[in-house]
Amino acid sequence: QKEVEQNSGPLSVPEGAIASLNCTYSDRGSQSFFWYRQYSGKSPELIMSIYSNGDKEDGRFTAQLNKASQYVSLLIRDSQPSDSATYLCAVEQAAGNKLTFGGGTRVLVKP
Amino acid sequence: NAGVTQTPKFRILKIGQSMTLQCTQDMNHNYMYWYRQDPGMGLKLIYYSVGAGITDKGEVPNGYNVSRSTTEDFPLRLELAAPSQTSVYFCASRGLAGDNEQFFGPGTRLTVL
Repeated sequence: QKEVEQNSGPLSVPEGAIASLNCTYSDRGSQSFFWYRQYSGKSPELIMSIYSNGDKEDGRFTAQLNKASQYVSLLIRDSQPSDSATYLCAVEQAAGNKLTFGGGTRVLVKP
Repeated sequence: NAGVTQTPKFRILKIGQSMTLQCTQDMNHNYMYWYRQDPGMGLKLIYYSVGAGITDKGEVPNGYNVSRSTTEDFPLRLELAAPSQTSVYFCASRGLAGDNEQFFGPGTRLTVL
């Protein structure tokens, strides 16, 4: 059973601070990793994808990947109340074509 | 370009009834997926398809069936609905090119009483 683990939260951060989200996965052969944001009652939307070890930055978001430790993280800088949502980590299975999702981390940004 | 559309948005079923959840995408994507999401949980893959005429089971296929007769449509059939099937159902699609992003439909909220 391929697993993706996330802390369910809620992760409460003050406005303007950095939110740090973590995700670990069990499928050592996985090559593609994604962070989705899901507002309450809405469908998931992709905010970051990462395929190589290291950091990838896109605006206020930075994804970090360490395949040796089977660990992927997401940093949200200058957190805004509009960032309050559940963040889902998704890992593409080594066999390809399918994603395994973590349970999500709920983030609350307080003004 | 509507992306991925799902109907209905909401549905209440009685135990033992059957229904079909519709999913259509207009992006000419080969891959399509059905997920369910229980409250406070992540997404669980029910079935997926890599192209017209080809389907395969995901993590939680029991109680569901799918078909893929066209590239655009990927309906999910519930036979003999049970309370355990109360959930939000998302359909997603993905193309062959690009960064493997899956695009999600708006979801169907199903309650079985």
